[in-house]
Amino acid sequence: AQSVAQPEDQVNVAEGNPLTVKCTYSVSGNPYLFWYVQYPNRGLQFLLKYITGDNLVKGSYGFEAEFNKSQTSFHLKKPSALVSDSALYFCAVRDGYNFNKFYFGSGTKLNVKP
Amino acid sequence: KAGVTQTPRYLIKTRGQQVTLSCSPISGHRSVSWYQQTPGQGLQFLFEYFSETQRNKGNFPGRFSGRQFSNSRSEMNVSTLELGDSALYLCASSLDSAPTDTQYFGPGTRLTVL
Repeated sequence: AQSVAQPEDQVNVAEGNPLTVKCTYSVSGNPYLFWYVQYPNRGLQFLLKYITGDNLVKGSYGFEAEFNKSQTSFHLKKPSALVSDSALYFCAVRDGYNFNKFYFGSGTKLNVKP
Repeated sequence: KAGVTQTPRYLIKTRGQQVTLSCSPISGHRSVSWYQQTPGQGLQFLFEYFSETQRNKGNFPGRFSGRQFSNSRSEMNVSTLELGDSALYLCASSLDSAPTDTQYFGPGTRLTVL
């Protein structure tokens, strides 16, 4: 069955430190993977996506994500966290075998402390 | 380019009433999807429309319905409202319905059912 898992409900990191938000996926065909961020009372903002090619994908606001096929993971990273990065982060996979449906993870709340 | 717009932003209804939410996609986008977001269930897919046809449907009761117009604008309707329908309803548009397409989200409509 197609699914996305974000194993951590919350991640706490100090400002200036590197951050990682984890995501693993399960999909029948080729995975098309996305990261979104949501600020309070707002919609989701697109950060980056992996379609094919280089396993390291660079996105908005200094975020990047590494696709690992053997571990079926697509972790979101940033070398130096900012307090303004505090938000809810969603990983999503699009299933090309299932009418291109989007499957979203449960979300990870990132807290960046000054 | 203007982003995805949703109207109204906030709505308060009582049980048994019906409600219609509206979504205007990014200009040129032909696919519109709807999601329900609640603290307990996270992001749940409602349905997707492409060129006025429903392409995908999530696991929601028939009280939830939608449509898409020839200009790609979409509406969703919820009849016989229940307390559990209180949620943030998000609309997302994409250029087409290919697996590589990014969905861009609107700010959402916050529905409160009393």
